[in-house]
Amino acid sequence: AQTVTQSQPEMSVQEAETVTLSCTYDTSESNYYLFWYKQPPSRQMILVIRQEAYKQQNATENRFSVNFQKAAKSFSLKISDSQLGDTAMYFCAFMKPYYGQNFVFGPGTRLSVLP
Amino acid sequence: DSGVTQTPKHLITATGQRVTLRCSPRSGDLSVYWYQQSLDQGLQFLIQYYNGEERAKGNILERFSAQQFPDLHSELNLSSLELGDSALYFCASSPPNRDYGYTFGSGTRLTVV
Repeated sequence: AQTVTQSQPEMSVQEAETVTLSCTYDTSESNYYLFWYKQPPSRQMILVIRQEAYKQQNATENRFSVNFQKAAKSFSLKISDSQLGDTAMYFCAFMKPYYGQNFVFGPGTRLSVLP
Repeated sequence: DSGVTQTPKHLITATGQRVTLRCSPRSGDLSVYWYQQSLDQGLQFLIQYYNGEERAKGNILERFSAQQFPDLHSELNLSSLELGDSALYFCASSPPNRDYGYTFGSGTRLTVV
């Protein structure tokens, strides 16, 4: 079975600074998807970024980028130029690459952006 | 609005009672997934339906059941409720032609007192 670990329960960062959230996972699959989801106080689950394991290039979405290390089974999220609106829970998630698969979520990291 | 509608948004009920949570998937999506998020924890997969049929089961208790109707909306039934069942319950849907095109609803907050 797949497992996802996020070793940082809480983090804080000053506005405009850069922060990196860690995620490691365990799987015997060679192909899979990895995701970062953001859950603000509104509770909505918002997709931040997605990485396909067979793509070596790290995904980037505006201020959000990942460092995907497949051999180390590591998938960290970097948030540049942090904004107050980035304050949220961040969940790392794993999914097998077949239709209809469910997510395996990590326990989350609570990020606070300080003014 | 994500296109996935969950009702009610909040529900308070007593131990031992039964409740029904409803989910309407995004137009065109055939798969519906239910997840449970307990306090300050990640989402745990409960069950999946595809076009009316159960497709996969996760950590769903025997006291819980679900179904997907011909119009593709889904209901999650929780019975003999316990205090520990208090949680956020999310529904998500995905279209038939994408293997990662999830959309989450805004959740139902269940409080058992």
